[in-house]
Amino acid sequence: GNSVTQMEGPVTLSEEAFLTINCTYTATGYPSLFWYVQYPGEGLQLLLKATKADDKGSNKGFEATYRKETTSFHLEKGSVQVSDSAVYFCALRETGGFKTIFGAGTRLFVKA
Amino acid sequence: DTAVSQTPKYLVTQMGNDKSIKCEQNLGHDTMYWYKQDSKKFLKIMFSYNNKELIINETVPNRFSPKSPDKAHLNLHINSLELGDSAVYFCASSQGRGNYEQYFGPGTRLTVT
Repeated sequence: GNSVTQMEGPVTLSEEAFLTINCTYTATGYPSLFWYVQYPGEGLQLLLKATKADDKGSNKGFEATYRKETTSFHLEKGSVQVSDSAVYFCALRETGGFKTIFGAGTRLFVKA
Repeated sequence: DTAVSQTPKYLVTQMGNDKSIKCEQNLGHDTMYWYKQDSKKFLKIMFSYNNKELIINETVPNRFSPKSPDKAHLNLHINSLELGDSAVYFCASSQGRGNYEQYFGPGTRLTVT
């Protein structure tokens, strides 16, 4: 079945450091890929998405590229801020389906 | 304007009780979901309705019963609450089939004592 695997956390960085959170997926067909962010005490919200191979999603300085050859969708940011501290979820939406499959989440702590 | 709202935000109750959580969305979406998030932040899909029809029904104890009176509302009723039901429950909505993102409510933190 379809699945999403993302790197285990927590990830602890200093402010202005470079961030990478790895995400790989297994899926049939051509799923859409997403990154969601969950700030403390809140629900998940969409950070960025990509709907086909080689698409790059970007938002708030975060980027991720849909790589079909490596079945990956790694999240990157060049310079993190304390306010980026949150839990990040990689997810895929099954082709033509209703179901979204989420990774286990990666907690990010950014120190001032 | 709140897109997806849930009530209550916090729910503390004793084992054996029955409780309900309500969800409403004003986005005009036709698909709604219930998720359970455990203390390690793992998110598990429970149910989904599309146009008031149950389309996803994962392996969930039958003490949990969803109900969708219309496309904008999805409620979750839980009978005979157990300690293991303690979690945060999220409602979400989306535009339906395809590559659409989901919009999440703020969550309901359920604590069973």
